[in-house]
Amino acid sequence: DSGVTQTPKHLITATGQRVTLRCSPRSGDLSVYWYQQSLDQGLQFLIQYYNGEERAKGNILERFSAQQFPDLHSELNLSSLELGDSALYFCASSVGVGAYNYGYTFGSGTRLTVV
Amino acid sequence: AQKITQTQPGMFVQEKEAVTLDCTYDTSDQSYGLFWYKQPSSGEMIFLIYQGSYDEQNATEGRYSLNFQKARKSANLVISASQLGDSAMYFCAMRDGATGTYKYIFGTGTRLKVLA
Repeated sequence: DSGVTQTPKHLITATGQRVTLRCSPRSGDLSVYWYQQSLDQGLQFLIQYYNGEERAKGNILERFSAQQFPDLHSELNLSSLELGDSALYFCASSVGVGAYNYGYTFGSGTRLTVV
Repeated sequence: AQKITQTQPGMFVQEKEAVTLDCTYDTSDQSYGLFWYKQPSSGEMIFLIYQGSYDEQNATEGRYSLNFQKARKSANLVISASQLGDSAMYFCAMRDGATGTYKYIFGTGTRLKVLA
């Protein structure tokens, strides 16, 4: 157990629907990152939150949004889903400041299948 | 723009032998970090090793070592004494140098198969 909890582990939904992926970071970590891993695009950074505030944005579609709550858990909302959104979505967390000479901790991912 | 290149889509190695997975990077930053992650078939991402751009010695973690050649912009992963459990996808990543963010840029990965 990495300490980063992602739910659900698997999700199957239809095109056009909306889903919410949840992430609880490792205790003490203030930063949360979302990544999308698809077969054609590889691992792509989506968005980062630090202590409740958006810190960096990557190739995140307008149909996707995220937030980090006061208890530091984060949610990634995906709407108007398309077949191409099928992917493994990872959440990762880090302390975010100070020493960073180690990789951040990934959750086990949520596998989204859009049918 | 920063970029990570892994040119080996797949590799085979005999059990107990050493294997080198290649990674080259491109950045204009002076300060950066390089990472290797392992992704087994179960899907989780497992941190293996880190190398900072100012580190003078190559990083080592157990059977993993990172062959860091700064002038050539390469950060190859060396796995010694391969085990069957080493069969997995391996990703090289670089931490973005922008202040206040620690987003990673990943390579396309190398699938390693260890043969008995």
